[in-house]
Amino acid sequence: SYELIQPPSVSVSPGQTASITCSGDNLGDKYVCWYQQKPGQSPVLVIYEDNKWPSGIPERFSGSNSGNTATLTISGTQVMDEADYFCQAWDSNTAVFGGGTKLTVL
Amino acid sequence: QVQLQQWGAGLLKPSENVSLTCAVHGGSFRDYYWKWIRQPPGKGMEWIGEISHSGSTNYNPSLKSRVTILLDRSKNQFSLKLNSVTAADTAVYYCARGDYGGNQGYGMDVWGQGTTVTVSS
Repeated sequence: SYELIQPPSVSVSPGQTASITCSGDNLGDKYVCWYQQKPGQSPVLVIYEDNKWPSGIPERFSGSNSGNTATLTISGTQVMDEADYFCQAWDSNTAVFGGGTKLTVL
Repeated sequence: QVQLQQWGAGLLKPSENVSLTCAVHGGSFRDYYWKWIRQPPGKGMEWIGEISHSGSTNYNPSLKSRVTILLDRSKNQFSLKLNSVTAADTAVYYCARGDYGGNQGYGMDVWGQGTTVTVSS
């Protein structure tokens, strides 16, 4: 079955740029979505179709996808961005999620 | 603005069946797919399956033999039934809306609040 691999954790200082990767075979041929999940809350879609913003999502969130790797980039990271982030793509008509990355802002 | 409200049994014994319901407030089923996703404690997300506004279903192959997702247009609700649960089915279960116009790249843009399902003898 298809797998999406994310680093378990990423740390960033406030105001700096955070990058979270998601790897999978020929991932660049698929659309990737990214979700933010804070403790005890439901996930929130922050990027769809690789690099588009849902309504209400700040433009400091951006996405890219090429080759075998998709990347979520958070520019000017704020303390409020501390959360778990999950990538998601479709393979053989099945939705697949990455294992998640805990972003720590300190 | 569409909101999803979900509910269902929270504590089950092994071999029982779990039923969860998700009500769609402020919108209709039209143009979207309606999904169930679960998250075991401390782990990542697992997509369970989905149903389209027309009633066609698509299930995760790993769960397909035990899952049924249904649409109730009269109540603006959709539901999940998972049969013969085990401890491995312990998770927070979410309903969600997604794939506007059948576009899977659109993502899951509205989520329910989550329901904790615990399977224990």
